[in-house]
Amino acid sequence: LAKTTQPISMDSYEGQEVNITCSHNNIATNDYITWYQQFPSQGPRFIIQGYKTKVTNEVASLFIPADRKSSTLSLPRVSLSDTAVYYCLVGPSFGNEKLTFGTGTRLTIIP
Amino acid sequence: NAGVTQTPKFQVLKTGQSMTLQCAQDMNHNSMYWYRQDPGMGLRLIYYSASEGTTDKGEVPNGYNVSRLNKREFSLRLESAAPSQTSVYFCASSVTESPTYEQYFGPGTRLTVT
Repeated sequence: LAKTTQPISMDSYEGQEVNITCSHNNIATNDYITWYQQFPSQGPRFIIQGYKTKVTNEVASLFIPADRKSSTLSLPRVSLSDTAVYYCLVGPSFGNEKLTFGTGTRLTIIP
Repeated sequence: NAGVTQTPKFQVLKTGQSMTLQCAQDMNHNSMYWYRQDPGMGLRLIYYSASEGTTDKGEVPNGYNVSRLNKREFSLRLESAAPSQTSVYFCASSVTESPTYEQYFGPGTRLTVT
């Protein structure tokens, strides 16, 4: 599985847009990029997944450049409830039995 | 749907004791997983089961055994608990060969071994 690198922590104010970037230089052709969110004392929750260009859902957007060596999770107009750890994962869509979670990015929203 | 449920929520064991963590899912998923999360760390895969009747080791299987009892249930057993196994344990499930890389997680079991 491709190794990922993301910032350990980030702070942002309420109402701002937050962008968390993940580097995955050795991503394979059949790998997808997936982001999970984890609140304290809870299991991780799937946020978004993409393969290339841009994906948007009701929670976030995922931007993936043409070379796919990095990706950016964008959270629009964050609120205090977005305070969580965000994990970037890279791996094949099928045979998804070996998710590898790094330490993630601890996002703190400041009122 | 309850999703993924885990029992117990909390457990304290003495070194050398044994116990089984239970996990069940009601989403008819083929694949199930056990992870552990140590304080301030990401999750590490202990064992997984791609389908009923099959189990495979993950990144940190030593000291654990698993049983895929049926399609719904996947249990994790600690035969002789050690302080190094103090952690939060998460069970997850997913649809095999899904177009998305999505796993559904339970609420976790917080285990302390003294």
